[in-house]
Amino acid sequence: QQQVKQSPQSLIVQKGGIPIINCAYENTAFDYFPWYQQFPGKGPALLIAIRPDVSEKKEGRFTISFNKSAKQFSLHIMDSQPGDSATYFCAASKGGKIIFGKGTRLHILP
Amino acid sequence: DTGVSQDPRHKITKRGQNVTFRCDPISEHNRLYWYRQTLGQGPEFLTYFQNEAQLEKSRLLSDRFSAERPKGSFSTLEIQRTEQGDSAMYLCASSSAGSDTQYFGPGTRLTVL
Repeated sequence: QQQVKQSPQSLIVQKGGIPIINCAYENTAFDYFPWYQQFPGKGPALLIAIRPDVSEKKEGRFTISFNKSAKQFSLHIMDSQPGDSATYFCAASKGGKIIFGKGTRLHILP
Repeated sequence: DTGVSQDPRHKITKRGQNVTFRCDPISEHNRLYWYRQTLGQGPEFLTYFQNEAQLEKSRLLSDRFSAERPKGSFSTLEIQRTEQGDSAMYLCASSSAGSDTQYFGPGTRLTVL
């Protein structure tokens, strides 16, 4: 049973565009929703996180939109740059254990 | 560098051998987590410690796997009688008490021939 479903698997966007990555979860007990960025050969790095009592959170060029009733959340990257090319994972957590989505490979064209 | 460190970064072993990995968390973080990541997939939770106590283990952690955190600081993950299916990146993360934010190390890439 996949508890966190992420789409798309891969995404190609022109520089300056706004890639959007979507996730859906099943367990309403989850209370913490982080997004991680991972470059090849590196460990995941926390990008931004949100709790279910907040509908939107923005940090720099990264924005999370959260829809609690639909059990969905998404990541928007404003003014995307080639350096943003990486794999992005949405995740959900309750009590410390993190459940990750399968990831989205993002490629920003120069 | 005060981040999470893991050693070794790469390990190549033959099927049937035992391997051990080490993780040093961020100092003063009392929670330590182990995850496994296969190619093209997200990390999967294996187990976690609060101080020296192992509080939860995933079904993924077969009896060939054992993790310890004897003094509540660094942790080791041992895999006995390795199989080719054990080939993966093994990630360690740590967090402070009361925080959900986990900081990941660079991982140990295991290749079982």
